[in-house]
Amino acid sequence: TQLLEQSPQFLSIQEGENLTVYCNSSSVFSSLQWYRQEPGEGPVLLVTVVTGGEVKKLKRLTFQFGDARKDSSLHITAAQPGDTGLYLCAGFYGNKLVFGAGTILRVKS
Amino acid sequence: GAVVSQHPSWVICKSGTSVKIECRSLDFQATTMFWYRQFPKQSLMLMATSNEGSKATYEQGVEKDKFLINHASLTLSTLTVTSAHPEDSSFYICSADRGQNNEQFFGPGTRLTVL
Repeated sequence: TQLLEQSPQFLSIQEGENLTVYCNSSSVFSSLQWYRQEPGEGPVLLVTVVTGGEVKKLKRLTFQFGDARKDSSLHITAAQPGDTGLYLCAGFYGNKLVFGAGTILRVKS
Repeated sequence: GAVVSQHPSWVICKSGTSVKIECRSLDFQATTMFWYRQFPKQSLMLMATSNEGSKATYEQGVEKDKFLINHASLTLSTLTVTSAHPEDSSFYICSADRGQNNEQFFGPGTRLTVL
């Protein structure tokens, strides 16, 4: 079992639709991070959420950290083909950065 | 910004040969570097953690004699896949930590294909 459970694993939507990706754990994290990775490239950090209940916005992306700091969500409004990629949540467990299994997002035009 | 490079970006080799992958932090000194492995459409799995001048710490199930890590300086870590076999084919990604806020900066990855 993974420390960070992501859902859904795969999402294929039309341009303009909204979507939410979830990252859940039974463990408390001091912070959670969201990354986006395109094929053949390394992951790029999108955001770090630190405070329980925190909401951060990055243009059309909204990130939320659960009150208990065990879960996080990523919401994309009006998805565009350029949003296509692998979205990964990650958190430090001890001194190691552990990743969720990832959500493959495909936005069709 | 903090930039991490990897070289080569892709490599194809014959079974039984050894392949060296370099990871460099270009504009900062990395107290710690990490090596990850990623299979297609899957997440990153930590292989090992390396600190400059000391032996790497390998994750459970990762063969240290197969995946040799050398962290010779604060800006360079190398991963050598020894006697590579087709099952070693994967995407290898390094990251570097400059010791601030636990933030890791990832390299662009190296695609290894073993024939």
